[in-house]
Amino acid sequence: GAGVSQTPSNKVTEKGKYVELRCDPISGHTALYWYRQSLGQGPEFLIYFQGTGAADDSGLPNDRFFAVRPEGSVSTLKIQRTERGDSAVYLCASSYFPKTGELFFGEGSRLTVL
Amino acid sequence: GNSVTQMEGPVTLSEEAFLTINCTYTATGYPSLFWYVQYPGEGLQLLLKATKADDKGSNKGFEATYRKETTSFHLEKGSVQVSDSAVYFCALNQGSSNTGKLIFGQGTTLQVKP
Repeated sequence: GAGVSQTPSNKVTEKGKYVELRCDPISGHTALYWYRQSLGQGPEFLIYFQGTGAADDSGLPNDRFFAVRPEGSVSTLKIQRTERGDSAVYLCASSYFPKTGELFFGEGSRLTVL
Repeated sequence: GNSVTQMEGPVTLSEEAFLTINCTYTATGYPSLFWYVQYPGEGLQLLLKATKADDKGSNKGFEATYRKETTSFHLEKGSVQVSDSAVYFCALNQGSSNTGKLIFGQGTTLQVKP
């Protein structure tokens, strides 16, 4: 498809487990973002990639969260030792012109930690 | 720090009613302002934007004017349709930044009844 694709759409895991969430951005978009959206809240910035490198990871809540984008396209958000407070919808977005603020979002991956 | 505040929802209107969703912001410098919309089952998408004071963004019958004196960016539509039912997010992009890193409000749910 032409849009941002995220997998899985839903993930249920147990406290303490490791989770990976995948994002496939729009072809040609060099900028990629991860946001987290808790129930009833707006998206909160986690990390921004320009190409392969993390240009801004100031939103990652702690060192249990890590993201990679090794070839400048697909990105994976990795969460270690999950906690119940990590339950949220994780959104990925990409952009061709980040300066414009026009981001194209995927539908998100809903993570539930039991 | 920078922040965005939206009126609480849900907002319930009858078809063809006038819509206003209030948004105010706090920011240093000269941010760009955005309205994003999330239709049921879809990812967030840009609805409209304004990049400087007194600019008016418009799209699909929606309008919002960047008011620096009141630090506001209220969303309006003269006649809503059932298909406008969605969650609306106000957001800002710090003007000095080229990263496309957005700060979102908490979202306002609009429900339009036939």
